[in-house]
Amino acid sequence: SQQGEEDPQALSIQEGENATMNCSYKTSINNLQWYRQNSGRGLVHLILIRSNEREKHSGRLRVTLDTSKKSSSLLITASRAADTASYFCATIHSGGGADGLTFGKGTHLIIQP
Amino acid sequence: EAGVAQSPRYKIIEKRQSVAFWCNPISGHATLYWYQQILGQGPKLLIQFQNNGVVDDSQLPKDRFSAERLKGVDSTLKIQPAKLEDSAVYLCASTLPGSYNEQFFGPGTRLTVL
Repeated sequence: SQQGEEDPQALSIQEGENATMNCSYKTSINNLQWYRQNSGRGLVHLILIRSNEREKHSGRLRVTLDTSKKSSSLLITASRAADTASYFCATIHSGGGADGLTFGKGTHLIIQP
Repeated sequence: EAGVAQSPRYKIIEKRQSVAFWCNPISGHATLYWYQQILGQGPKLLIQFQNNGVVDDSQLPKDRFSAERLKGVDSTLKIQPAKLEDSAVYLCASTLPGSYNEQFFGPGTRLTVL
């Protein structure tokens, strides 16, 4: 079953605007990761935030994590046409040796030129 | 650095037939995963290998799906017999051991079961 739920399911904005996507999850996590998927480059890792971190930045990306609310957000600033893709949050459960990712259903982001 | 390789890229079969997918991970990556991605959904983990041993196959439908990684490098995922609901993209990913490493995904095999 899917662990996370992204919100919104679809988002369309103008180029240059900021895009915010949210993710909620159900169980305790070890870390949370965001991935991007488009037809050109497949599924690509964007950023990882550990359970003891609250915020992380990477270029135009900003991720926050609130473990008390079991939620995360991904902010893409100054969006570009190339950011058009589906964005997934993925979690690794805490405990045990298995660290396969549990993905949400994704947010489909469209950047209008 | 070469990425994760998968073949074939596309496969069309009829229900009840068998099919096999192949994955070659990034050199040196001991951990390998197979995911199933149904259209409109996020990937779902099927199985995780550490070298040639299975770490997690709790979500693998073992009555029809099997996977192996005999020499701890390449891996094969098989479906026998296929059902209509197996139509999906099958993604292989690899990583260095540990939970804080990013996973590198291959381009996937798109399976259509008619």
